[in-house]
Amino acid sequence: GAVVSQHPSWVICKSGTSVKIECRSLDFQATTMFWYRQFPKQSLMLMATSNEGSKATYEQGVEKDKFLINHASLTLSTLTVTSAHPEDSSFYICSGLRATNEKLFFGSGTQLSVL
Amino acid sequence: KQEVTQIPAALSVPEGENLVLNCSFTDSAIYNLQWFRQDPGKGLTSLLLIQSSQREQTSGRLNASLDKSSGRSTLYIAASQPGDSATYLCAVHNNDMRFGAGTRLTVKP
Repeated sequence: GAVVSQHPSWVICKSGTSVKIECRSLDFQATTMFWYRQFPKQSLMLMATSNEGSKATYEQGVEKDKFLINHASLTLSTLTVTSAHPEDSSFYICSGLRATNEKLFFGSGTQLSVL
Repeated sequence: KQEVTQIPAALSVPEGENLVLNCSFTDSAIYNLQWFRQDPGKGLTSLLLIQSSQREQTSGRLNASLDKSSGRSTLYIAASQPGDSATYLCAVHNNDMRFGAGTRLTVKP
């Protein structure tokens, strides 16, 4: 089956640093990538939608200058958390939409802890 | 390694019927379990979140139960409507998040 590889699976960083999370669709082309986050004891929430080659669309309340999304190719999307703060500590997960059958495939997530 | 299975893979019902979707998982050491719906070409919409200490959650016509010891969750949809037609996914969260393959629901008017 189709696979989305997400790295790193966990990261600890100091406040003020930037962290990049990478998602690759290994055996299909993801025309659309979705990025989600989940705070403790809360539901997974959509952060942004990105289509290959165009700017991401952010959900209300998500700062686009803080969460930089790059979807430069049909197999790679990255989320960079810039100047991370402790309140950005969360579980981040990506999913790729396979255009051929409109199915979603998920990375396994990244647990970010900002000290 | 956690495995999540959803049954049935597809379901077609007439409008008004009550229905149950099933989700099973192999590792009971979970933080929480969530149910989502996915509309064609769109991302996920969160429906219900059940923490590991909880047994069920309700929202409107939806009720989700969790039995950790048996590794099962069910999503009950009452009085189904054509607008409920979508793919429903469950996901379990421990150190990572694992999704089932989904149940594609069609509610016929």
